[in-house]
Amino acid sequence: DSGVTQTPKHLITATGQRVTLRCSPRSGDLSVYWYQQSLDQGLQFLIQYYNGEERAKGNILERFSAQQFPDLHSELNLSSLELGDSALYFCASSVATGGRSPDTQYFGPGTRLTVL
Amino acid sequence: GENVEQHPSTLSVQEGDSAVIKCTYSDSASNYFPWYKQELGKGPQLIIDIRSNVGEKKDQRIAVTLNKTAKHFSLHITETQPEDSAVYFCAASMAVKAAGNKLTFGGGTRVLVKP
Repeated sequence: DSGVTQTPKHLITATGQRVTLRCSPRSGDLSVYWYQQSLDQGLQFLIQYYNGEERAKGNILERFSAQQFPDLHSELNLSSLELGDSALYFCASSVATGGRSPDTQYFGPGTRLTVL
Repeated sequence: GENVEQHPSTLSVQEGDSAVIKCTYSDSASNYFPWYKQELGKGPQLIIDIRSNVGEKKDQRIAVTLNKTAKHFSLHITETQPEDSAVYFCAASMAVKAAGNKLTFGGGTRVLVKP
């Protein structure tokens, strides 16, 4: 158990809908990262938050957005869902950002999103 | 941006044999290289990592080597056991002040340890 929690575990929805995925980082971790894992694209970085502020953006679609709240939990919002958005979405957390060498990232169990 | 290539994509070994997975990266500024193990239905689990000021690191049956000049790093698992069967991912990252430290992953290696 990494200490990172994600809810829900599974999500089934229809095209055009909007969903929210939730992540709670390990106790004491200030950074939260979101990754998407699909069969054709592998594991891809979406976005990072550090202590409530957006820190880095990757291959995140404009239909997707995220935020990190004062209690450090994070939510990933996916809207106007398409069939191709079906994937596993992982949250990871680390102690902090910056420094000479990156921090170790610990991953949660993921949310499996199925868009029908 | 960074690109990480991982080989082989599948690896079948007999229990007790060694397994080696190799990765190459493109950006010489990368200085952190973790390896993750992912079992079916679970999230990636960190098994070992290496930073660019170290050439080799070992933890029981697992070792990682890094060649900065050639920009490649490898995972070695000795005395493999059936519970080592999983998908293994290498990744690369760099510390960019105020710009985060995303992980760029390789494509993964599915390891099957046959009893």
